Amino acid sequence: GNSVTQMEGPVTLSEEAFLTINCTYTATGYPSLFWYVQYPGEGLQLLLKATKADDKGSNKGFEATYRKETTSFHLEKGSVQVSDSAVYFCALHSGGGADGLTFGKGTHLIIQP
Amino acid sequence: DAGVIQSPRHEVTEMGQEVTLRCKPISGHDYLFWYRQTMMRGLELLIYFNNNVPIDDSGMPEDRFSAKMPNASFSTLKIQPSEPRDSAVYFCASSSGVRGNQPQHFGDGTRLSIL
Repeated sequence: GNSVTQMEGPVTLSEEAFLTINCTYTATGYPSLFWYVQYPGEGLQLLLKATKADDKGSNKGFEATYRKETTSFHLEKGSVQVSDSAVYFCALHSGGGADGLTFGKGTHLIIQP
Repeated sequence: DAGVIQSPRHEVTEMGQEVTLRCKPISGHDYLFWYRQTMMRGLELLIYFNNNVPIDDSGMPEDRFSAKMPNASFSTLKIQPSEPRDSAVYFCASSSGVRGNQPQHFGDGTRLSIL
């Protein structure tokens, strides 16, 4: 079946540090990949996506590249801000008949001033 | 545009009581999803609908859980009777399709506490 594995959190960084949150997946077919962000007390918001191999999704300074050879979709940002503190979820949609998203367990990111 | 609207935002009730969670999807979206979020298990898909018809309910934990979508603008998730282990945040999401360029939009969730 489908699965998504994310690095365990919390991840604590200082403001302006470089961020990487690892995500690897197992899926049937050719999945689409997503990063969602959840701020405290809110629902999940789509951060970025990539629908095929070698695509790069980007938004708000965050980037992730769909790597089929390593089945990975790592999230990166060059200089984080306190306002980036949130929980980040990697997710996939396999497109192979199951229409729901498969989520990783989430990575809690804490940015200190 | 209004997003996905869930109610109530918070629900605290005693075990054994019936709980009903409500969701209004984004207008024009054909798909509606119910998820449950817990610390132990993360986000789990419970059930989803396409054009008001339940397509996959394999994630519904047991018969105490039921979901309906009587029309395109309203869905309910019901737990009867409720148990403390049902305490979680329940999210509703909707989308216009299920391809990669049709992402799901989430509501703010209902935080359910069963005492």
